[in-house]
Amino acid sequence: GQNIDQPTEMTATEGAIVQINCTYQTSGFNGLFWYQQHAGEAPTFLSYNVLDGLEEKGRFSSFLSRSKGYSYLLLKELQMKDSASYLCAVRDQGGYNKLIFGAGTRLAVHP
Amino acid sequence: DVKVTQSSRYLVKRTGEKVFLECVQDMDHENMFWYRQDPGLGLRLIYFSYDVKMKEKGDIPEGYSVSREKKERFSLILESASTNQTSMYLCASSPQTANYGYTFGSGTRLTVV
Repeated sequence: GQNIDQPTEMTATEGAIVQINCTYQTSGFNGLFWYQQHAGEAPTFLSYNVLDGLEEKGRFSSFLSRSKGYSYLLLKELQMKDSASYLCAVRDQGGYNKLIFGAGTRLAVHP
Repeated sequence: DVKVTQSSRYLVKRTGEKVFLECVQDMDHENMFWYRQDPGLGLRLIYFSYDVKMKEKGDIPEGYSVSREKKERFSLILESASTNQTSMYLCASSPQTANYGYTFGSGTRLTVV
């Protein structure tokens, strides 16, 4: 079966650091993606991991451990505009670039 | 920039109507996808297409069909709309493999009354 788990909601303070976890159990694996989605808008790409380790991109970093079926998205120096849903998605091995999404984590950043 | 355009931002339809949702991409992508997004359930794949006239069922194809007569256009059809198909529908496209995953359209919020 396919299962991707993320916390439903998180809150954090402006300027702080927050880590959003994602665990997955899928029949195949060919990469893990994080997307950001503001309310009423389409998801936008944040990061991609296919090998174990940390990928850093400005204030956002993403980590992957394939042996543990685990990833996290780290957001530093939080800003109010980071209030959004964060979607974890796994690409399966069957070709066609098909992604399986978790339910998303809604992050609220407070002053 | 890749652009994925969904023809309607909001739609209200009656139960039993046949509904067409249209999606057009302008970057010659092979793959196109239709998802629905519901609170607490995330994005669920309805159908996808990897070439003209080729289609594959996703996880929740029941009550839907698709059409891809041209590479740039992928249509989702609700044969007989029901209230449980009220949802946000997202179209996406990608090349065969992409390190950014998909480019999404802006979504169509469909309400079936």
